[in-house]
Amino acid sequence: RKEVEQDPGPFNVPEGATVAFNCTYSNSASQSFFWYRQDCRKEPKLLMSVYSSGNEDGRFTAQLNRASQYISLLIRDSKLSDSATYLCVVKTGGFKTIFGAGTRLFVKA
Amino acid sequence: DADVTQTPRNRITKTGKRIMLECSQTKGHDRMYWYRQDPGLGLRLIYYSFDVKDINKGEISDGYSVSRQAQAKFSLSLESAIPNQTALYFCATSDSQDGSYQPQHFGDGTRLSIL
Repeated sequence: RKEVEQDPGPFNVPEGATVAFNCTYSNSASQSFFWYRQDCRKEPKLLMSVYSSGNEDGRFTAQLNRASQYISLLIRDSKLSDSATYLCVVKTGGFKTIFGAGTRLFVKA
Repeated sequence: DADVTQTPRNRITKTGKRIMLECSQTKGHDRMYWYRQDPGLGLRLIYYSFDVKDINKGEISDGYSVSRQAQAKFSLSLESAIPNQTALYFCATSDSQDGSYQPQHFGDGTRLSIL
């Protein structure tokens, strides 16, 4: 089993739709969590950190469920510019950072 | 100007050649990392360094070496390149303060092709 698993997609949604991605992690000692966005052939860019109580940044909402060991990302009112690959990232104390393979999203007009 | 700069951006070379990829940063971060990315596999850690005197192997260090010349510079070398090292390479940095909770910041990447 991979340490961090994501549905690779692709998710194909129309503009204005709400879409949600989940990411599961295997190490219960994981301490911090992030979502990154990566455009084709570009570098990953931090989208948002994920806090225990959940957090929101504009149209994006991140949730953490420690009991079930997953994090989620919800995108409301999808824009064409949201089309990208979304990477789930889990840090397990000290240095160890595990990147998920990513979920591809296509938003269509 | 980019905070994390990688050179070259693209490189095509032949099997057996020695190659160096360079990374420099202006973020003032202590921690620097080298990753490679292959389709469907996500990012995999090659080496990381927590300060100038600290170098550590990641999960796929075989065939690679690194040098931390200064706090701001971290280079990756392929001593004798082979075709399965063809990949997209990223350098990243993070702040050591409250390290477990600090995200990593990436350079633009180096696309390396080995023929």
